[in-house]
Amino acid sequence: EAQVTQNPRYLITVTGKKLTVTCSQNMNHEYMSWYRQDPGLGLRQIYYSMNVEVTDKGDVPEGYKVSRKEKRNFPLILESPSPNQTSLYFCASSAGNRGVGSGANVLTFGAGSRLTVL
Amino acid sequence: AQTVTQSQPEMSVQEAETVTLSCTYDTSESDYYLFWYKQPPSRQMILVIRQEAYKQQNATENRFSVNFQKAAKSFSLKISDSQLGDAAMYFCAYRRDPRAGTASKLTFGTGTRLQVTL
Repeated sequence: EAQVTQNPRYLITVTGKKLTVTCSQNMNHEYMSWYRQDPGLGLRQIYYSMNVEVTDKGDVPEGYKVSRKEKRNFPLILESPSPNQTSLYFCASSAGNRGVGSGANVLTFGAGSRLTVL
Repeated sequence: AQTVTQSQPEMSVQEAETVTLSCTYDTSESDYYLFWYKQPPSRQMILVIRQEAYKQQNATENRFSVNFQKAAKSFSLKISDSQLGDAAMYFCAYRRDPRAGTASKLTFGTGTRLQVTL
């Protein structure tokens, strides 16, 4: 089954304790991205990657790191989490530039990771 | 920068009735994609419908249809014969054409919570 898998789904941690949220997709997608969802703000992009070893900042990158060493994986790293990073996180992927009209431009989302930083 | 506005934080509809959710967006691009995503209590992001900007014909998917007004930059979602399972948060989203050169993120509105009553 084509899917994006995130882990952990739920995590409670304390300020300053480094954590990693993993994301893996089995669709050979070039494009991967992380979003955070907060009440009243919708989903905002944190980082994205166009392909292996190519990453860039989204709208709210502060306090986060990412890496893309393999095409299928795109982990989100919080080096020193703070309470304002308490949020619902989504990983998403899609195929790369396939042109107008292609369904490849649709993002497939993971199930979400609920993170609480105390 | 592209923005997406959903001016209705909450809507309510009776089962079997029709409801329309509003969405407007701002962009200077001519080629782009518009989406409606549904987020039920499970928090999963589920694609409901998508529209390519170059297509004049409005997209339809079973009971879901859109009214795409490119000049007015409006993209409303109509749900016909509403069912209890339609109760969810609905997000409107915009994505520029990836062929534009830079990575194209999905820009989301803040969402509309739809209640379905008996």
